[in-house]
Amino acid sequence: QKEVEQDPGPLSVPEGAIVSLNCTYSNSAFQYFMWYRQYSRKGPELLMYTYSSGNKEDGRFTAQVDKSSKYISLFIRDSQPSDSATYLCAMTYTGTASKLTFGTGTRLQVTL
Amino acid sequence: EAGVVQSPRYKIIEKKQPVAFWCNPISGHNTLYWYLQNLGQGPELLIRYENEEAVDDSQLPKDRFSAERLKGVDSTLKIQPAELGDSAVYLCASRGPNTGELFFGEGSRLTVL
Repeated sequence: QKEVEQDPGPLSVPEGAIVSLNCTYSNSAFQYFMWYRQYSRKGPELLMYTYSSGNKEDGRFTAQVDKSSKYISLFIRDSQPSDSATYLCAMTYTGTASKLTFGTGTRLQVTL
Repeated sequence: EAGVVQSPRYKIIEKKQPVAFWCNPISGHNTLYWYLQNLGQGPELLIRYENEEAVDDSQLPKDRFSAERLKGVDSTLKIQPAELGDSAVYLCASRGPNTGELFFGEGSRLTVL
């Protein structure tokens, strides 16, 4: 069993929809949680960075962490075609991201 | 500010041939990472450098892979000899002090025939 599980998709939604992306993990030592966005043939770029449990909002993006359930989510409101990408969750024990463990990524397609 | 620069972007070689990838991190970033990303998978750490010291290379297959970061700036990842299973994207990332954010390059896509 992988430390971090993520549904690979693909997930197809119409423009304007609310998107929910999720990861589960098995290691309770993870403290810092991140979401990266990766466009085709590009490197991942950091979207959201959260510590421990709770919510964090940034524009159309909201990250949620539920440590008791070992479950993290990324919500995208008013999704746009430009949001079409692969979304990778990542987590680490320490804040300096010394060793990130990534999920497999969920491929999202937002259609017109 | 320039991002993380990698070259070559694409490389096609025959098995048993050597190959090298180069990475120039963001200026001032002391921490440098090499990640391997297979198709449909998340990146997996190969090696992490703090300045010129390799502080985590436990996932680097040392029989055929080697890396160096002379002078603590640019880094090179080498594979010799390459095998079919090495076909993947090799990502370089860097991180500045007192931050958890990694900045990734666009990757070097290797195809071994």
